[in-house]
Amino acid sequence: EDQVTQSPEALRLQEGESSSLNCSYTVSGLRGLFWYRQDPGKGPEFLFTLYSAGEEKEKERLKATLTKKESFLHITAPKPEDSATYLCAVHSGNTPLVFGKGTRLSVIA
Amino acid sequence: DSGVTQTPKHLITATGQRVTLRCSPRSGDLSVYWYQQSLDQGLQFLIQYYNGEERAKGNILERFSAQQFPDLHSELNLSSLELGDSALYFCASSGQEHGYTFGSGTRLTVV
Repeated sequence: EDQVTQSPEALRLQEGESSSLNCSYTVSGLRGLFWYRQDPGKGPEFLFTLYSAGEEKEKERLKATLTKKESFLHITAPKPEDSATYLCAVHSGNTPLVFGKGTRLSVIA
Repeated sequence: DSGVTQTPKHLITATGQRVTLRCSPRSGDLSVYWYQQSLDQGLQFLIQYYNGEERAKGNILERFSAQQFPDLHSELNLSSLELGDSALYFCASSGQEHGYTFGSGTRLTVV
C-alpha cells in the first residue's frame, strides 16, 4: 500500500527565513509525485509534478526536489502570502493519488 | 476558478438524513475523483469514475454511493448521515502533467 508521510506537521517562519518541507513516500512503482498548496476552506491548488529521482522544479520562491525515497519543498525568503498547507501526493500504477496529511506553514511578517 | 465546479458550497443537515453533492469536471476531463478531508485524516480517496464507469474505490462507506452521468458530471450520495461524516468533500478531475484539478469543495456539517 502506498504511503506518504509529511514533516513537520506545522512550521512557523519569520518572513525571509528559508526552510524545507519533507515528504517521505513508499510506493510500488512511482509514476509521479505531486505538490499542492491548500488555503483554508479551499481546494488544493497544483504546484509541481516530479517524475524521477534527481528532478527539480521551481516556481517563484518554491523549489521541489525528488529522490528515490523523499521529496523536499524548499521555500526561499518566504512572505506572509506563502502561508498555507502544503500537500504531497504520490501516483503509482493505476491507483488514484495518495496524499500525505500536509505541512501547515505560517510565515510571520 | 479551477474549472471544476462543486455545489453546494455548504450543507448543514441532521443525523440520519441523506444529501447529494454535485460536481462538474473541467472541460475535456473524463475522470472524476471524490475525496473526503477531515481535520485528523487529511485527504482520503473515496471513489473514481471514468467516462461513466466506476474505475477505483477507496475506503468509501456502504452508506455512500456515487455515479457519473453521460454529460460527465458526478454526484456523491451520502445517506444515514452520522456526526462523523462532517467534513470537506472535494471533487477533482484529472489532467495530464498537472495531476488532478480540484474544486472548491462542499463543507458538510451533520448536527
